[in-house]
Amino acid sequence: QKEVEQNSGPLSVPEGAIASLNCTYSDRGSQSFFWYRQYSGKSPELIMFIYSNGDKEDGRFTAQLNKASQYVSLLIRDSQPSDSATYLCAVNTFERGSTLGRLYFGRGTQLTVWP
Amino acid sequence: SAVISQKPSRDICQRGTSLTIQCQVDSQVTMMFWYRQQPGQSLTLIATANQGSEATYESGFVIDKFPISRPNLTFSTLTVSNMSPEDSSIYLCSVGTGNLGGYTFGSGTRLTVV
Repeated sequence: QKEVEQNSGPLSVPEGAIASLNCTYSDRGSQSFFWYRQYSGKSPELIMFIYSNGDKEDGRFTAQLNKASQYVSLLIRDSQPSDSATYLCAVNTFERGSTLGRLYFGRGTQLTVWP
Repeated sequence: SAVISQKPSRDICQRGTSLTIQCQVDSQVTMMFWYRQQPGQSLTLIATANQGSEATYESGFVIDKFPISRPNLTFSTLTVSNMSPEDSSIYLCSVGTGNLGGYTFGSGTRLTVV
C-alpha cells in the first residue's frame, strides 16, 4: 500500500471558522488526489479532487496541492455542524499505460464543528 | 457517476465459514476495487477485479482468503473465506470512471464474525 499520512486529529472548530485538513503522500508518481467525507456508518463520498499544483475551489471547499512537497490539503470555509465527519485523503497512482489507477487512503481526520 | 448496489448490507457469521459479497453496477466499468475498513480505521485496498483476468491483490491479501470473481463488466463478488473474528470489518466495492474524477463506493457490507 502506498503511504498516505493525515494529521491525526480529531479537529474541533466553531461554526463559521475555517477547518484545515492536511495530507502527505510518499509516492512521487502519484497523479491525482482526492478528498472524501465519511459520515459515521456510511460509505465515503467524494467532495474534491485535484491533480495540478495550486488551489482548486468548489463552494466552501478549497483543495491545495504541492507536488514538490508531496502535500495536499483541504480547507473548509464557514464550517457548519453538518460538516462534522471523517475526512479521508486519497491518492491515485496510475500504472504505466493504464488510464485507471488504484486509490490509497490515509487514516482520516475526524472533524467536529460545534455550534 | 455510476450507481453501485452492494449486498448483503450486513451479516453475522460463524468463524470458519465463508461469506460472498456481491457488487452490481448500473453501467459497464473496466475495473472494480474491493476495500476493507476495519473498526476505526481507514480504507485498505484488497484487490482490483479485472474482467476476463485474475484479480490483482495488494500486499498482505491472498486469493485463497479473498477469492474474487468478475464475470462481466457490471458485476463482481468478493468471498471472505474461513473467517475469523479478525475479519470483522466493513467491506466496500468501488468503481472508477476512467478519468480523474474520482471513485464511487457501494454502501458497504458490515461483517461480524463470532
